[in-house]
Amino acid sequence: AQSVSQHNHHVILSEAASLELGCNYSYGGTVNLFWYVQYPGQHLQLLLKYFSGDPLVKGIKGFEAEFIKSKFSFNLRKPSVQWSDTAEYFCAVIGTDSWGKLQFGAGTQVVVTP
Amino acid sequence: NAGVTQTPKFQVLKTGQSMTLQCAQDMNHEYMSWYRQDPGMGLRLIHYSVGAGITDQGEVPNGYNVSRSTTEDFPLRLLSAAPSQTSVYFCASSYTNRAYNEQFFGPGTRLTVL
Repeated sequence: AQSVSQHNHHVILSEAASLELGCNYSYGGTVNLFWYVQYPGQHLQLLLKYFSGDPLVKGIKGFEAEFIKSKFSFNLRKPSVQWSDTAEYFCAVIGTDSWGKLQFGAGTQVVVTP
Repeated sequence: NAGVTQTPKFQVLKTGQSMTLQCAQDMNHEYMSWYRQDPGMGLRLIHYSVGAGITDQGEVPNGYNVSRSTTEDFPLRLLSAAPSQTSVYFCASSYTNRAYNEQFFGPGTRLTVL
């Protein structure tokens, strides 16, 4: 069975600070990896995804993530956050043989203060 | 395209009542799924469908029924609501159930069971 662990449940930081959210997964095969964001009162939106190739992937709004296969990790980063990045962030994993069954982490609530 | 739509946005039920959460997509997606989101637990898969007439259980199916009579619609039925079903429910769809297909989420239904 696959599982996803997000290291922090709540993060508070100031504007212009750097952000890094940890995500580790366990799965016995090849995976596709995703980061979703949920802004207050809105539905989930895809930030970025990794399927194969360059392990450093860039997404929308200046976010990037690095897949480290040896560590089963897919950490999300942003060099300089803005107040508008206040949201909940979810890491999600799907085994390439799991036929649509996304496994989500518990989420990290990020609050950016002005 | 409207994408994935859900109704209602909010619902309050009494224990034992039944109701149906509606989900529709206009993207001609084969794969549709229902998740529930609970604090600290991320999103958990309830039921999914790989096409009209085909449904299967996810991680937390108990207390929920689904059917898929058309490609567009995937309603979720609560036959006898319980307080443990208080949650936010998200419907999602993707072109197919292959792992590389992005899943698109609806705006959610916030359900409270008293």
